[in-house]
This record gives sequence, C-alpha cells and structure tokens, in this order.
Amino acid sequence: AQKVTQAQTEISVVEKEDVTLDCVYETRDTTYYLFWYKQPPSGELVFLIRRNSFDEQNEISGRYSWNFQKSTSSFNFTITASQVVDSAVYFCALSVEDNFNKFYFGSGTKLNVKP
Amino acid sequence: ETGVTQTPRHLVMGMTNKKSLKCEQHLGHNAMYWYKQSAKKPLELMFVYSLEERVENNSVPSRFSPECPNSSHLFLHLHTLQPEDSALYLCASSQEAGGTETQYFGPGTRLLVL
Repeated sequence: AQKVTQAQTEISVVEKEDVTLDCVYETRDTTYYLFWYKQPPSGELVFLIRRNSFDEQNEISGRYSWNFQKSTSSFNFTITASQVVDSAVYFCALSVEDNFNKFYFGSGTKLNVKP
Repeated sequence: ETGVTQTPRHLVMGMTNKKSLKCEQHLGHNAMYWYKQSAKKPLELMFVYSLEERVENNSVPSRFSPECPNSSHLFLHLHTLQPEDSALYLCASSQEAGGTETQYFGPGTRLLVL
C-alpha cells in the first residue's frame, strides 16, 4: 500500500526565514515518483517538482530545494529566505507505475509567511 | 499559462438542482481526472479518463456522473447532491494515464450545496 505523511499541519515563519516542509512516504514498489505541489488561496495546485526513485540527487531551483533520501523514505522541501508570496498549502504526492497514474497525496502543510 | 481551465469557478446549488462542471485542457494530454477536496481532508481521486474512456472510478456516489466527450474536455454532472458534497472540485490532466506522469491542475470549482 502507498501512503504519504506530512506531519506538519501548519507552520508560521517570518519573512526571510528558511523553512523545511517534511514528507515521508511508504511504498513497496521499487519504481515510483514523488511530487510537490503548491496550493495558494486561489485553489489551483501548482506543480513544483517531480522526482523518480532512482535519482537521489538533491535539486535546487532558485529559493526552493529538495532533499530526497531513500534510506529514510523522505522527500523534504526547503524554502530559503521565505517571502509572503510563499504562503500556501504545500502537498507532497507519490505515484507508482501501473496504477492509472493514481496520486497518493499527503494531507498538506499550510505555510504562513508573515511580513 | 492556463493549461487547464474550469468553469464555473463558484457554484451554489440546492439539493434538487442539476448542474454541470466543465474542465478543458489545452496541453494535448490524453488523460484527465476529477478530484474532490473537502476541508481538512486529503485530496480524493474521483474519476480517471484515458483517451475518453473511464479507467478508474473510486466508489463515487451515482449522483456524480462524469462525461469525457473528447480528450480535451471533461464534465462532471451533478444531481440531487447533499450538503456534505460541498467542496473544491479539481480537474487535472496528464500526458498518459498508465505511467507516473505529472498531473497539471485547473483552478477548481468551489461548490456549495444548500
């Protein structure tokens, strides 16, 4: 069975602080993909990153970085020098092959960045 | 870029009404999805369509009826809904439905059932 856990329900930081959002996943499949999405108050889920299970290299995109560790089944997301516009709900998701591209979403972490 | 659009953005309906939600994707994708997002609950996958054929139906009540006339359009027909059906309904699309493709989401329709 597949499962994604985002233990942090809500995080509040002050602008310019760094913040890490945790994601822990469970699967017995050896081939899988992990995703992060951002959901601002407008409602649309905005795609941020897709990472396959064979690529453990960390990735950096501007102020965003992701740390994928298979040993701990974690795919954490760090925002450096947070900004008010980063305030949103962030979802981590897992997808495995041959399952109609079904995504297993975590419950989301609400990030509040205060000025 | 508005790759996936949804209309209406907001909808209020009574329990005896019939309404339809519309989704359109402009990405040339072959798979489309309906999700339900209720307050304080995880995203729930409702339906998956691949090349206009329904391939997944996650035990959704029959008062929700999907329709996919072509690979660019997806509808969700609603009838005799209950107040607990109030939620954000999200449409998504991906290149294919058989792999692990990135899903791209629309802005959603916020539905309130009175």
